[in-house]
Amino acid sequence: DAGVTQSPTHLIKTRGQQVTLRCSPKSGHDTVSWYQQALGQGPQFIFQYYEEEERQRGNFPDRFSGHQFPNYSSELNVNALLLGDSALYLCASSSRFHGEILYITSTDTQYFGPGTRLTVL
Amino acid sequence: AQSVTQLGSHVSVSEGALVLLRCNYSSSVPPYLFWYVQYPNQGLQLLLKYTTGATLVKGINGFEAEFKKSETSFHLTKPSAHMSDAAEYFCAVSVSEGADGLTFGKGTHLIIQP
Repeated sequence: DAGVTQSPTHLIKTRGQQVTLRCSPKSGHDTVSWYQQALGQGPQFIFQYYEEEERQRGNFPDRFSGHQFPNYSSELNVNALLLGDSALYLCASSSRFHGEILYITSTDTQYFGPGTRLTVL
Repeated sequence: AQSVTQLGSHVSVSEGALVLLRCNYSSSVPPYLFWYVQYPNQGLQLLLKYTTGATLVKGINGFEAEFKKSETSFHLTKPSAHMSDAAEYFCAVSVSEGADGLTFGKGTHLIIQP
């Protein structure tokens, strides 16, 4: 059973550029969350996608946007990159379904991928 | 709004000694609490979680944590430290098990002395 996968593993960009990061959730999961982890800090919640819509958003500017596809995979896009965007970007997946029963809140814990290390020069 | 405070950015223990990593939380609703571990250049791995029910929860690798509502704490312990336990540990809180964003503490770096 494949876990959460992310690509690419490393990325170097320059200020002002745009970047797209990708995430494939764990098999059976339908909800994807994105986090930013600056060096020496805990992860910070960016947003969460379910049923191809953004359901929750943390305190991040509109430069950060995302998308979820019908196969539940997701992309994180960051426009107009700043030096401060340099960080490890983590994707986590979870499930709002348990068997055939839809729960209002997820019945499964968030499982994290290995992350994408973004360096902005 | 929720928040997490992890006391001690670095904790050093001898191999075989007790590990105690402290976590205090703030939440306006009944919390879901998690401990994650992160090894160098890797993502986060779930150690254990508290949802409802028994306040003492056991996780992987011999770790356990106790939810104390009166103290708003969820400290992580392990009776005997092993060299392989050296890593960064994060406490997190949420209002659900997975349908909401997690709020993380700043992390505690656990150092194991031989």
